[in-house]
Formats: sequence, C-alpha cells, structure tokens
Amino acid sequence: NAGVMQNPRHLVRRRGQEARLRCSPMKGHSHVYWYRQLPEEGLKFMVYLQKENIIDESGMPKERFSAEFPKEGPSILRIQQVVRGDSAAYFCASSLSGSGTGELFFGEGSRLTVL
Amino acid sequence: QQQVKQSPQSLIVQKGGIPIINCAYENTAFDYFPWYQQFPGKGPALLIAIRPDVSEKKEGRFTISFNKSAKQFSLHIMDSQPGDSATYFCAAKITGGYNKLIFGAGTRLAVHP
Repeated sequence: NAGVMQNPRHLVRRRGQEARLRCSPMKGHSHVYWYRQLPEEGLKFMVYLQKENIIDESGMPKERFSAEFPKEGPSILRIQQVVRGDSAAYFCASSLSGSGTGELFFGEGSRLTVL
Repeated sequence: QQQVKQSPQSLIVQKGGIPIINCAYENTAFDYFPWYQQFPGKGPALLIAIRPDVSEKKEGRFTISFNKSAKQFSLHIMDSQPGDSATYFCAAKITGGYNKLIFGAGTRLAVHP
C-alpha cells in the first residue's frame, strides 16, 4: 500500500496518560501535515513538518502537544497528559512538494478516545 | 482570521437529484480551492479542485462553480447515486508557500435510492 499510513487506528487512553500517533507519508513525500477533526466538525490544521524541521506549528496547542518528523522513520504526534477534550480523530496528510498544488493525500486517521 | 464557511450542514436528496454544496471565504489570500470526500471511518480524499482564474471545472459528475467577486464556490453532483453518500469538505489554500489548507465544517450528504 503506497498510501499514507497511520497507526494506531484507534487508541484509548486515560486522563493524564500520553498518546503517540504515527504517520508514514506516501513514498517519495517529505512534507507532512497533521489535522485534528472533532466530532461533527471540519479538519483543523495543527502542524506542518518537513524532514527534521517544523515549518508551521500555528495550529498546535501551546502545551502538551508536540510533533516531529525525523530523518528516518515516521512522523510522530505526541500528546502528553491527555484530557477528555483531546478525544478526536487525528489525520496525517502528505504532499510531494512543499508548495503550489495544494494536493494533500490523507491517511485514514487515528481515533483517540480519552476516558 | 481566515475562514471558509460551508453550507448546508446536511443534505438529503433522491437518487438522480443534484445536490449543491456552497462555500464562502473571507480572505482574499487563497489561490486553490479543493473539495474532499470522506466516507465514515476513512480519511478525506481529494475529489476535485479549482483555481480562482477559472469559473467552472467539471470532472465526471462533479462540477465546481467559482465566483471570485463574491468569494463563493460550490460543488454540484449531477445524477447523484447512493454511493455518493458521504461528508464533503470544501477547503482553501493560502496563497504562496506551502500546502496549508483551511477547511469548511463539512456537509453530510445522503442520497436515497
């Protein structure tokens, strides 16, 4: 499967635990975007990364959330000390280039439930 | 704040009908307007997209109409089928730079047989 791969697809955490969501972009893509989708809402931009660099994190909450895209391996979205309001679907998207077309390819999402 | 407003929130049509979904934006600094289709439990998939120098674009049964002066664009689905039942999102890309998309809130479409 050459698409964007996300795991886990479903994750249950208790309040105060950590959640780690992983994203492997499409083959050949080095640009990764994370979006959050709350129930019955649209997708909200969180962060844009290139390999080893955070380019735009304007949509990331200032605390508890972090993202990385190392030289080797998948991109990771990390949520520390989760709260119930973090329950959402988190989508990763990738693009071939960093500019121009606007064409993002999305994964199937990771659905986080915080008890 | 850059926003894309989408309506209606939900839509029900009969098979063969032509659902129309509308979007409006408030910031002129957008240069690309894609529509995404999302089935339950799946990620959004690009359906069709348009640039502001074009007033209409057709791909199969899907048509985007774009009104630059009114800052509005819409999606029409011709001869709709039950398999078109999904949530549709309009989006806008900020001019220049990278592929950051601002999404509308989505329209849940149900096409009844």
